[in-house]
This record gives sequence, C-alpha cells and structure tokens, in this order.
Amino acid sequence: SAVISQKPSRDICQRGTSLTIQCQVDSQVTMMFWYRQQPGQSLTLIATANQGSEATYESGFVIDKFPISRPNLTFSTLTVSNMSPEDSSIYLCSVRREGSGEQYFGPGTRLTVT
Amino acid sequence: KQEVTQIPAALSVPEGENLVLNCSFTDSAIYNLQWFRQDPGKGLTSLLLIQSSQREQTSGRLNASLDKSSGRSTLYIAASQPGDSATYLCAVGTGANSKLTFGKGITLSVRP
Repeated sequence: SAVISQKPSRDICQRGTSLTIQCQVDSQVTMMFWYRQQPGQSLTLIATANQGSEATYESGFVIDKFPISRPNLTFSTLTVSNMSPEDSSIYLCSVRREGSGEQYFGPGTRLTVT
Repeated sequence: KQEVTQIPAALSVPEGENLVLNCSFTDSAIYNLQWFRQDPGKGLTSLLLIQSSQREQTSGRLNASLDKSSGRSTLYIAASQPGDSATYLCAVGTGANSKLTFGKGITLSVRP
C-alpha cells in the first residue's frame, strides 16, 4: 500500500479567496488523482496529474478554477481558486499502484467556504 | 458513460449477522473493481480489488465477487461487528488509465 498525507486536514475560508492543498506520498508514483466529495455525495474525479506534464481535467472542471502542480513523483498540489460556498467539499488525493491498478487515498481535506 | 449504483443507501443490522452489499454498473468493459470503506470525516480505505479477469477476492471476513456479464459485484461481510459500521463504496475502473467511477455508497450500521 501507499501512505498518503494531505495538508491542511480542514480549513474554513472566505468567499473569493484561494486555498492550496498539498498531497505527499511515501513512494514514487506515476499518476496522482484529485477527487472531490460534496456533502452527501460520492467521489468525483477532478483531474489526473502526471509528473512533468499538464494535468488532465474531467468534464466540468477547468484549470483556472483548480490549478494543479506536480513537481516530482511524490508530491502534488491542488488549488481551489476564487472560492464560493459551492466549493465546500472534501478534497482527496489518490495514487494508483502500477500493475494491479489498486488505488489508495489520502485522509482528505475538509473545506468549508463561508 | 459508466454509471455505478449501490442500493440501498443505508442498512442497519444486528451484530453477528452475515450481510451482502450490492453494486451494479452499466458498462461491462471494466479494467477492475474496488471496494472501499469510509469512516465519517475520513478518507477511503481500500478493502478489496478485483481484476476484470477474476471472479472473487477474499480478505478475512470480507469476500467480494464480480460478474461482469451482468454488471454486478457483491461484498459479503461475515459475522458483522459494530466496528464494521461505515460507508462502503464500490468503484469501477474503466479505460486505459483505469479511471474510477464511484457509487454513492451504502452506509452500514451494525447494532450491538
């Protein structure tokens, strides 16, 4: 398995501001994923982040709103920009094991926008 | 577009009962299927992964089966315990990148 940490674990932010979430993995991985879990809903994939290339965004998510960095094989950041109350969610980082394809998740960042 | 359904949304059982959680998916061209557990306010814990070529996987009191042709998977929990209380999520991996599509989960409560 992979050990994944996220910072911050939770935050309360003002409307119109931005928050950057960090994800650190204890081993090198090719692909990292960012998910959103809105209250009472399941997980939705925001984007896939490969080291050294632009992130690939899913339908409904754009780079201007959710810029992602992937500077190396163990680290990634997701920024939630110009936040509104609708962005209140849990944001989760995930990695996939090569070969088996098993995915592992970080503990999540609980974001509340007021 | 892959859609994953988990019914019912919530389930309450007495301790010791054997139970089955169901998951259905619309596109049978899957790469794998993964069951997760999520405790309140926490991230996801991987329970079992079934590759598309496999029929079932077992870990302790858990057994997951996969029937691709019918678009179904089940998670069997034997001798349930209060510590099993959590939300159980089914996720189906499709495509070359094995992108996961999640169901909404089943919230299980095991009563002492």
